[in-house]
Amino acid sequence: QVQLVQSGAEVKKPGASVRVSCKTSGYTFSVYYIHWVRQAPGQGLEWMGWVSPNSGGTTYAQKFQGRVTMTRDTSIDTAYMELDSLTSDDTAVYYCARAGVGVPGATYFDYWGQGTLVTVSS
Amino acid sequence: DIQMTQSPSSLSASVGDRVIIACRASQGISNFLAWYQQKPGKVPKLLIYGASTLQSGVPSRFSGSRSGTDFTLTISSLQPEDVATYYCQKYNSAPITFGQGTRLEIK
Repeated sequence: QVQLVQSGAEVKKPGASVRVSCKTSGYTFSVYYIHWVRQAPGQGLEWMGWVSPNSGGTTYAQKFQGRVTMTRDTSIDTAYMELDSLTSDDTAVYYCARAGVGVPGATYFDYWGQGTLVTVSS
Repeated sequence: DIQMTQSPSSLSASVGDRVIIACRASQGISNFLAWYQQKPGKVPKLLIYGASTLQSGVPSRFSGSRSGTDFTLTISSLQPEDVATYYCQKYNSAPITFGQGTRLEIK
């Protein structure tokens, strides 16, 4: 069965960076883009961007450009999201999600990771 | 960017009621609209994509429709396990955007 398993919760100080991993299994990693979505406490869902497992190509939401890097390691079927220059506004649950059928960079998400809570606090 | 506006932001209904949640796109997005259910403390779950296609395993009491730039999610007979926040998502092009969510409670 398709699974996306994310790394554990993180506590970071303002100005630091965080890297979240998303280990996939149960399907061919190279076929489906991985998107990242975040959710601040009590708030809605916010799309951050995607990485192509095949080419490594990326697209980021304008809000995060220059501060986010999405990568992948095809040898272990894992995607990563690194966010720099953290502030308290970045406190959120970060989800990886698999792109559904269709245009992989603009599609719905059929499988999600369990989420990773990133807390930014001094 | 295209904005997605959901209404209402919250609603309370009785078990067995027909519930309708609306989502309006600020520009045309064809049928590139998905609906998600997020139960408290849980991961979002895909319910519907392509505006009206039910994801495998989702109960048939859920349905979606489109009229122009207006979309609706209908629960034909509300069940206690449907308590959740529901989000629409447009995906015709980047950036992908979500509605602000509709919180559904049992009366």
